[in-house]
Amino acid sequence: ETGVTQTPRHLVMGMTNKKSLKCEQHLGHNAMYWYKQSAKKPLELMFVYSLEERVENNSVPSRFSPECPNSSHLFLHLHTLQPEDSALYLCASSQDYGGEQYFGPGTRLTVT
Amino acid sequence: GQQLNQSPQSMFIQEGEDVSMNCTSSSIFNTWLWYKQDPGEGPVLLIALYKAGELTSNGRLTAQFGITRKDSFLNISASIPSDVGIYFCAGQLEDTDKLIFGTGTRLQVFP
Repeated sequence: ETGVTQTPRHLVMGMTNKKSLKCEQHLGHNAMYWYKQSAKKPLELMFVYSLEERVENNSVPSRFSPECPNSSHLFLHLHTLQPEDSALYLCASSQDYGGEQYFGPGTRLTVT
Repeated sequence: GQQLNQSPQSMFIQEGEDVSMNCTSSSIFNTWLWYKQDPGEGPVLLIALYKAGELTSNGRLTAQFGITRKDSFLNISASIPSDVGIYFCAGQLEDTDKLIFGTGTRLQVFP
């Protein structure tokens, strides 16, 4: 138990669906991250929030939309995804931007 | 852009053997972290290193922060089946404080 939870753990969605991934951290951290992990590829950093402000957006398609309503919660809103978006989506948090990151268990997303 | 070269990409070893893996870069780092990821789970932090030359152990795991601040090593002694997984290094860049990840080393242990 790392103090970072993610729901759902598994999600199957069609290309026309809209869904959201949720991440919650119970560590009192100030920074939160979304990563995409595809098979046989390095971790891809998608978004970073520090003190609820987005500080990084690494050329992610607009069909992925993050939201950070407070320092404990992070969402990733998904719409009109493509099959190549199927991957493990990991959330992480750190005390401050750039510090040791603690990961959640991930959401395994399959787009059909 | 900055990148971390992690090697080897994969290892297949027999139970009881020792394991070594490393990460190298042309950039300088303030911090090195080593993570392990089990299948279907998120990476779990194993060891954190904060100073050049630092050697830190966590059970059978030992990691070192390279003196040049451009590399780090992880050793696992007397491997056991539950050591199976993917091991990632991560380094915090000196100039930006950004944390970047290596490509991972996939470890398989055979009884």
